[in-house]
Amino acid sequence: DTGVSQNPRHKITKRGQNVTFRCDPISEHNRLYWYRQTLGQGPEFLTYFQNEAQLEKSRLLSDRFSAERPKGSFSTLEIQRTEQGDSAMYLCASSSFESRINSPLHFGNGTRLTVT
Amino acid sequence: AQSVAQPEDQVNVAEGNPLTVKCTYSVSGNPYLFWYVQYPNRGLQFLLKYITGDNLVKGSYGFEAEFNKSQTSFHLKKPSALVSDSALYFCAVRDDTPYDYKLSFGAGTTVTVRA
Repeated sequence: DTGVSQNPRHKITKRGQNVTFRCDPISEHNRLYWYRQTLGQGPEFLTYFQNEAQLEKSRLLSDRFSAERPKGSFSTLEIQRTEQGDSAMYLCASSSFESRINSPLHFGNGTRLTVT
Repeated sequence: AQSVAQPEDQVNVAEGNPLTVKCTYSVSGNPYLFWYVQYPNRGLQFLLKYITGDNLVKGSYGFEAEFNKSQTSFHLKKPSALVSDSALYFCAVRDDTPYDYKLSFGAGTTVTVRA
């Protein structure tokens, strides 16, 4: 299966600890997105990359959150000094470039973070 | 600014009956519209999209959606629902602003198809 891969699937951490998630997109996709989903809500945009460039970051995103995509391949999302409100499913998605139009986003199965 | 509303939290139908999941949108330019489905503890799976052209869009698993510009709606439909269609459905939109590629999602509609 060459879909979007996210690791780990689950992460339990104590408040105040740092966590890092990894996303491996579909290999030919040059765009990569991070979304956060809480129970009963739709995915909320966090940030996205085109190749290695981070083009947009949500204004809702705390400075404790940082994302990287070195060499335009995999991406990492780090949360520093985690808080209980960070508990959510973190979804990664990728897409290819079709002129000005996005191809559909292809989502991974997510990383579920629980902050105790 | 772009946003999506899914007015129904839940839709319940009997197997074999038609299924409709409602979605309305708001964008500043022209909309690009998408439907996704999510099964428990999984990511979202793409069903169909409207970019331009025919207002009736056909997608995966027998689903279709109708774009209505005057009503700013993009309702998802299936003529005959299956129990396996029970899942969480999300409508998403972005407008055609150049270089703005993020999607905005609705809160989701839980579909339950009873046997």
